[in-house]
Amino acid sequence: GDSVTQMEGPVTLSEEAFLTINCTYTATGYPSLFWYVQYPGEGLQLLLKATKADDKGSNKGFEATYRKETTSFHLEKGSVQVSDSAVYFCALRGSGGSYIPTFGRGTSLIVHP
Amino acid sequence: AAGVIQSPRHLIKEKRETATLKCYPIPRHDTVYWYQQGPGQDPQFLISFYEKMQSDKGSIPDRFSAQQFSDYHSELNMSSLELGDSALYFCASSLAGANVLTFGAGSRLTVL
Repeated sequence: GDSVTQMEGPVTLSEEAFLTINCTYTATGYPSLFWYVQYPGEGLQLLLKATKADDKGSNKGFEATYRKETTSFHLEKGSVQVSDSAVYFCALRGSGGSYIPTFGRGTSLIVHP
Repeated sequence: AAGVIQSPRHLIKEKRETATLKCYPIPRHDTVYWYQQGPGQDPQFLISFYEKMQSDKGSIPDRFSAQQFSDYHSELNMSSLELGDSALYFCASSLAGANVLTFGAGSRLTVL
């Protein structure tokens, strides 16, 4: 079945550092890929998405490129802020069979001033 | 804009008790999903409804049941609660076939 693998956290960075959170997936066909963010005490919020190969999703300075050849959708940000501290979830939604989104384990990001 | 509303936000129960969680989707969204997120775990899909009918079933225990009502709100009923049921329960809604789900803030269930 479909699956998503994220790098283990927590990721601890200083403000203005470069961020990469790795995400790889296993799915049949051409899934849509997502990054969701969860701030403390809140629900998951969509951060960005990409629906086909080579698409780049971007929002709030975060970017991720849909790489079909490496089945990856790594999240990047050039300069993190303390307010980016949250848990980030990579997710996919399959193109055939089940349309239920599958989530990764989540990666906690802690940004220090 | 209206979001997905879940209630209660926090719930404390004893073992073997029952609990009911409610979810009010975004207006005009016809599909509701329930997820369970244990401590440090990824959200696990439980069940979904489309137009008041169950559409997909995930890892929902037999002790749990859910339904979607005529006004599209959904309720998750949990019986014979166990310590392992302690988790954050998320509801999400979408339009059928839409790629993006909108999540509620979650209901945190603690079983003592």
